[in-house]
Amino acid sequence: QQQVKQSPQSLIVQKGGISIINCAYENTAFDYFPWYQQFPGKGPALLIAIRPDVSEKKEGRFTISFNKSAKQFSLHIMDSQPGDSATYFCAASYGDSNYQLIWGAGTKLIIKP
Amino acid sequence: GAVVSQHPSWVICKSGTSVKIECRSLDFQATTMFWYRQFPKQSLMLMATSNEGSKATYEQGVEKDKFLINHASLTLSTLTVTSAHPEDSSFYICSASRQFGSNQPQHFGDGTRLSIL
Repeated sequence: QQQVKQSPQSLIVQKGGISIINCAYENTAFDYFPWYQQFPGKGPALLIAIRPDVSEKKEGRFTISFNKSAKQFSLHIMDSQPGDSATYFCAASYGDSNYQLIWGAGTKLIIKP
Repeated sequence: GAVVSQHPSWVICKSGTSVKIECRSLDFQATTMFWYRQFPKQSLMLMATSNEGSKATYEQGVEKDKFLINHASLTLSTLTVTSAHPEDSSFYICSASRQFGSNQPQHFGDGTRLSIL
């Protein structure tokens, strides 16, 4: 019930295309859903986050879509660029967990020029 | 911004030595700091959570005597890997959060690559 399931494991997208990464969770107590971007040899960097009271949040080319009834959320990267090539992690947390993050397994995204 | 600095970025040492890794929040006060371990091509694995001025809370399976965590100030936490062995070789990452229990985002350092010979 504590798991966050992330798919796909890897993704190749042409430059200019839309990259879509999906996550699903079971614990309805989760109330914070961030996405992190990690480049090789670096720590994760917060990209965008959403709370369950909204269904979508957009920041530049990055959009989170959130489906509370289906317990799913996804990251959309519009106009994907080679510089977006990285590993992306979804995560979830809730108050009773002292806001510890439950991490997805990660998606390695490659944007082909 | 919210900058977290981690030092050193890379360390190689002999088996049996102890290694200290520092995690500093440069432009904010971090009530809570987290320490993670990451194996190649895997997700982050939480090792422990530390709140300033109190003992760290370790995750199940993490040896507290092996991985000593100190969070003595609002801007500094340290992880000491004691009597390190080759199996301790990994990528260690810290993160810092502004306020305990308020669902503040975690801001990450750039990690420390630890190699034990």
